[in-house]
Amino acid sequence: GDSVTQMEGPVTLSEEAFLTINCTYTATGYPSLFWYVQYPGEGLQLLLKATKADDKGSNKGFEATYRKETTSFHLEKGSVQVSDSAVYFCALSGGTSYGKLTFGQGTILTVHP
Amino acid sequence: GAVVSQHPSWVICKSGTSVKIECRSLDFQATTMFWYRQFPKQSLMLMATSNEGSKATYEQGVEKDKFLINHASLTLSTLTVTSAHPEDSSFYICSAFIPGGSSNQPQHFGDGTRLSIL
Repeated sequence: GDSVTQMEGPVTLSEEAFLTINCTYTATGYPSLFWYVQYPGEGLQLLLKATKADDKGSNKGFEATYRKETTSFHLEKGSVQVSDSAVYFCALSGGTSYGKLTFGQGTILTVHP
Repeated sequence: GAVVSQHPSWVICKSGTSVKIECRSLDFQATTMFWYRQFPKQSLMLMATSNEGSKATYEQGVEKDKFLINHASLTLSTLTVTSAHPEDSSFYICSAFIPGGSSNQPQHFGDGTRLSIL
């Protein structure tokens, strides 16, 4: 079946540091890939997405590129802010389960001033 | 954009009572909704897929008699935790699926319900 693996957390950074959160996936077919963000006590918000190989999703300074050859979708941001502190989930849709999302385990990011 | 409203956002109740959580799609019709459970500092676990007008499809290991799901209309799905016990305490999140949505976002999420059973 489909699966998503994220780098172990938590991740702690100083403000303005560079962020990378690794994500790799296993799926049959041609899944769409997503990054969701969850702020404390809230539901999930879509951060960015990519629907086919070599697509780059971007939003609020975050970027991720759909790499089919390495089955990866790493999240990056050049300069993090305290307000970026949240839990980040990599997810895929499609593959073997139409409409369902398969989530990674989530990565807790804490940014200090 | 598509909005999903989940109610209540937080509920505290005594052990043995039943608790109902509502998930509404406010500006679109959702034939399919999903219910997730999230433990502290963990990922979302899909509990069941709710289909309007038919029985819900439960994931392996989820007790269907414990977690009753009803999807009686195109804009409302409910999750009822029956005879709740402290181990049912968790964060429950619903989402609505829009097939072929122009945003290519397969699911729109509610803000979640924190359930605490005393």
